[in-house]
Amino acid sequence: GQSLEQPSEVTAVEGAIVQINCTYQTSGFYGLSWYQQHDGGAPTFLSYNALDGLEETGRFSSFLSRSDSYGYLLLQELQMKDSASYFCVLTDSWGKLQFGAGTQVVVTP
Amino acid sequence: DAGVTQSPTHLIKTRGQHVTLRCSPISGHKSVSWYQQVLGQGPQFIFQYYEKEERGRGNFPDRFSARQFPNYSSELNVNALLLGDSALYLCASSSERTNLYGYTFGSGTRLTVV
Repeated sequence: GQSLEQPSEVTAVEGAIVQINCTYQTSGFYGLSWYQQHDGGAPTFLSYNALDGLEETGRFSSFLSRSDSYGYLLLQELQMKDSASYFCVLTDSWGKLQFGAGTQVVVTP
Repeated sequence: DAGVTQSPTHLIKTRGQHVTLRCSPISGHKSVSWYQQVLGQGPQFIFQYYEKEERGRGNFPDRFSARQFPNYSSELNVNALLLGDSALYLCASSSERTNLYGYTFGSGTRLTVV
């Protein structure tokens, strides 16, 4: 089966940099995605890695290493609005998304 | 352009009852997927429909069923509700069956079973 592990909570101050790690076990997948979800809201797509390496989208970057079954999301120049849950997600060839349990990011002044 | 719309936004049902949740995808999107998110956990895949046919099913009992209409909107039906069915039900749409670059989610239907 598939499984993903990520930390349950990370706290940081405004302006700081936060890295959310994700390790996974799977027999096969297309890529690793990251979604953001504010309390009670819709998950919003942030980033996707199909190949090993770093993808940068504004203040957010995501990394994948298939050989290490590992990825991370990097949040730079943290803002209060970045307080939310962040999910690492495996995408399979059928379009099914497998979500991790999520990491609650708390940004303090 | 409207995003993914779900109705109702909130719902309270009694154990044993039946519920129907509705989803309208983004215009032009042919794929609709349903997810269940229990409080404090990540969303869990229930169904995917593409071009009005079921293309994938998650590990949910037969009490859960869904369908997609000619206009690509979709319904999720849950029979014989249990307390454990209380969750946020999310709908996601995509223009293709496998969208590697992100699905668009609706804000969900919050179902409470009492």
